[in-house]
Amino acid sequence: NAGVTQTPKFQVLKTGQSMTLQCAQDMNHNSMYWYRQDPGMGLRLIYYSASEGTTDKGEVPNGYNVSRLNKREFSLRLESAAPSQTSVYFCASSRLAGVSYNEQFFGPGTRLTVL
Amino acid sequence: QQQVKQSPQSLIVQKGGISIINCAYENTAFDYFPWYQQFPGKGPALLIAIRPDVSEKKEGRFTISFNKSAKQFSLHIMDSQPGDSATYFCAASTRSGGSNYKLTFGKGTLLTVNP
Repeated sequence: NAGVTQTPKFQVLKTGQSMTLQCAQDMNHNSMYWYRQDPGMGLRLIYYSASEGTTDKGEVPNGYNVSRLNKREFSLRLESAAPSQTSVYFCASSRLAGVSYNEQFFGPGTRLTVL
Repeated sequence: QQQVKQSPQSLIVQKGGISIINCAYENTAFDYFPWYQQFPGKGPALLIAIRPDVSEKKEGRFTISFNKSAKQFSLHIMDSQPGDSATYFCAASTRSGGSNYKLTFGKGTLLTVNP
């Protein structure tokens, strides 16, 4: 099993460009998450999908959109990239929905720079 | 509003010493407290977790101490090894709406264990 995979690993964008970050998991997990990690800020939740067909905003959703394409895939889209979106983006998944005691499995991350 | 406060930001320990990282929270609705470990260039991975109905949980050299009345919990790493050098995040889980749950992370502690 590959676990959680993310593409691309690295990306450089110019201000105003758009792009989609891809995430897939092969663990048959129900819930999926997108986080951003900035120096000194920890991990902040952007959007999550508790189960296939549902998505909800997290702590920092502005400037992002998501699509839960199917149970395996959860994509994050930047419609008009801004330098403030320069960050490392992590996708995660967890087996259960509606349960607090729920380990999240993280992907390797996408390092995005917006010039 | 930072809901989970983590300290220190960085910590240097000698090999064989004890590493202690502390977290404090305000929201009494939190009901699951995991610690994640992250090595450079990798995604975070669950290290150990505790529920608020116990005061301590030990797994090998790693122990979580939980003080519900003080709303504090801490990670102790006994006999610290250079291979423990990583960033550690505490987190807390709470219901985010309906039957969904989400994690709130602390800002992280960079641990360096010198040989």
